[in-house]
This record gives sequence, C-alpha cells and structure tokens, in this order.
Amino acid sequence: EAQVTQNPRYLITVTGKKLTVTCSQNMNHEYMSWYRQDPGLGLRQIYYSMNVEVTDKGDVPEGYKVSRKEKRNFPLILESPSPNQTSLYFCASSLKGGGYGYTFGSGTRLTVV
Amino acid sequence: GNSVTQMEGPVTLSEEAFLTINCTYTATGYPSLFWYVQYPGEGLQLLLKATKADDKGSNKGFEATYRKETTSFHLEKGSVQVSDSAVYFCALRGGGSEKLVFGKGTKLTVNP
Repeated sequence: EAQVTQNPRYLITVTGKKLTVTCSQNMNHEYMSWYRQDPGLGLRQIYYSMNVEVTDKGDVPEGYKVSRKEKRNFPLILESPSPNQTSLYFCASSLKGGGYGYTFGSGTRLTVV
Repeated sequence: GNSVTQMEGPVTLSEEAFLTINCTYTATGYPSLFWYVQYPGEGLQLLLKATKADDKGSNKGFEATYRKETTSFHLEKGSVQVSDSAVYFCALRGGGSEKLVFGKGTKLTVNP
C-alpha cells in the first residue's frame, strides 16, 4: 500500500530534550515536506526537500532541523524543544510538478512541557 | 506569493442538505487546485483536484470547478451525510512553486 509513515503518533517530552520524528514513504517520491497544524493558524510548512541531500526552509523553520540522506526518509529533528513547538505535525510526499497532490502521513501530536 | 482564502465556518448542516464551501486563490501563472479532507484524529486525504481552467474535480459526491475568471474553486455536494463531518481544506500548488499552500480550513458538522 502506498503510504507515508510517521512515528510516533503521540509524544510528550520535556523542554530541551532532543527528539526526532521519523517519516518514510514507499512511493519513490522526490519531494517531501513537513507541516505543523495549529488552531487558528492552519497548516504551515516547516521544511521541504526536493531530492536527496537537497533541503530548504519553509515558512516556520526556527527550532527545527531536517535531513534527507535517503530518498524514502525525511526525519524532523527538534534539538531543544520548547513549549511553543507543541503542535500536530504532518509529513507529506509527492512527485515533483504542480499537478500532483501530496500524500500525508497520519500525524504526530507533540506536547512539550 | 500564492495564497488561498476559504470561508472559515464552522458550518453546521442537517443530513441531506446542500453544501457549498467557498474558496478563492491568488497565484502567479496557472496553479493546480485541490480539496483535502481531514476526519477527526486523522491526516489529510486528497478529496479532489483540478489542474487547469474549467476542469471539474469530483469524488464521493463532492465537486469543484476551476474558475480562472473568478479565481475560485468552490466545493459543493448535493446531499451531505453525517459521515461527511470533517475539516475541509482548499489548497493550491504551482505558479512557480512546489509548495502546497492551504486555506485555513472549514469545519463541517452534519447532524442527523
């Protein structure tokens, strides 16, 4: 089944403790992206990647890191999480080109206390 | 830059009522337009899309027509069901960017 898999689904952590949210897709998509979803603010792009070893900042990159060492994986790293990073996070992938929609993962609900 | 504006709701309807959720966009060039749906506790699923002017996307009884002259992509369904209760997002991609740009979302509740 074609899908984007994120882990974990739920995570509660403490301020300053480094964490990684994993994302993997099995569709051979070049393009991958991370979004956060917050009430009243909608979906905002954090980082994206056009291909292996090619990443760039989205609209709200502060406090996040990403890497793209393999085509299928695109982990999101929070080196020193803070409470304002409490949010619902989605990973997505797509073929390149405007006519293609994204395929989204099921989401990771992160709480930083 | 590219942007999407959609009616924010919430929208509450009775079963079998007609649904319209308005969506307008601003973009350079000729973007593709999408509607996504998010059911409670789940990720976003592609509902329908249209890639050029006058195209009509349709799926599960929902329809939307790409209107270049009014820069709109309104979502419609003739008879909603309780199972349609969800948040609906209008989005665009293209116009020189790979980024999928979303509207703020419209929460729909359908009562029996």
